[in-house]
Amino acid sequence: QKEVEQDPGPLSVPEGAIVSLNCTYSNSAFQYFMWYRQYSRKGPELLMYTYSSGNKEDGRFTAQVDKSSKYISLFIRDSQPSDSATYLCAMEGGSYIPTFGRGTSLIVHP
Amino acid sequence: DAGVTQSPTHLIKTRGQQVTLRCSPISGHKSVSWYQQVLGQGPQFIFQYYEKEERGRGNFPDRFSARQFPNYSSELNVNALLLGDSALYLCASSYGTGNTEAFFGQGTRLTVV
Repeated sequence: QKEVEQDPGPLSVPEGAIVSLNCTYSNSAFQYFMWYRQYSRKGPELLMYTYSSGNKEDGRFTAQVDKSSKYISLFIRDSQPSDSATYLCAMEGGSYIPTFGRGTSLIVHP
Repeated sequence: DAGVTQSPTHLIKTRGQQVTLRCSPISGHKSVSWYQQVLGQGPQFIFQYYEKEERGRGNFPDRFSARQFPNYSSELNVNALLLGDSALYLCASSYGTGNTEAFFGQGTRLTVV
């Protein structure tokens, strides 16, 4: 079992839909949870991070962490074609060594 | 302000050769981390350097080495290249030792033939 599991997709949605992206993890030491967006042939771009459990909102993006279930989510409201990319979750405990999921490919079609 | 810059952008090497990849962090950032991203997978942590000292090392063989210079730029060296080393090599910089607010460069795509 990998430490971080993420469905690779692709996830295809119509423009304007609410998108839900998820990761599960097994290491209870993880305390920081990050979401990155990666366009083809580019480096990952940090969208947001959260510490421990709870929600965090930034514009159209909302990150949720449920440590009891070892489950994190990223919601994208009013999705746009420009949101089409691979979304990576990443997690870090006290070792400064982040562990990434394999990424979910999102396609938002007009 | 310039972001994280990596050079070269693309590289083709032959098995057994050695390669050096370079990274310049965002101005003011003292930490540089290196990652390997194989097609279809997430980035895998290789090294972190902070204030010129190694702070973390991932599960990579000793063929991989890195260093950080006084100006906080960094080099990643890979010796005795294998076909399996073909990947996108990413550099990320951050102000402190944590990786929660790290900014990535566009990467160096290494192809080993």
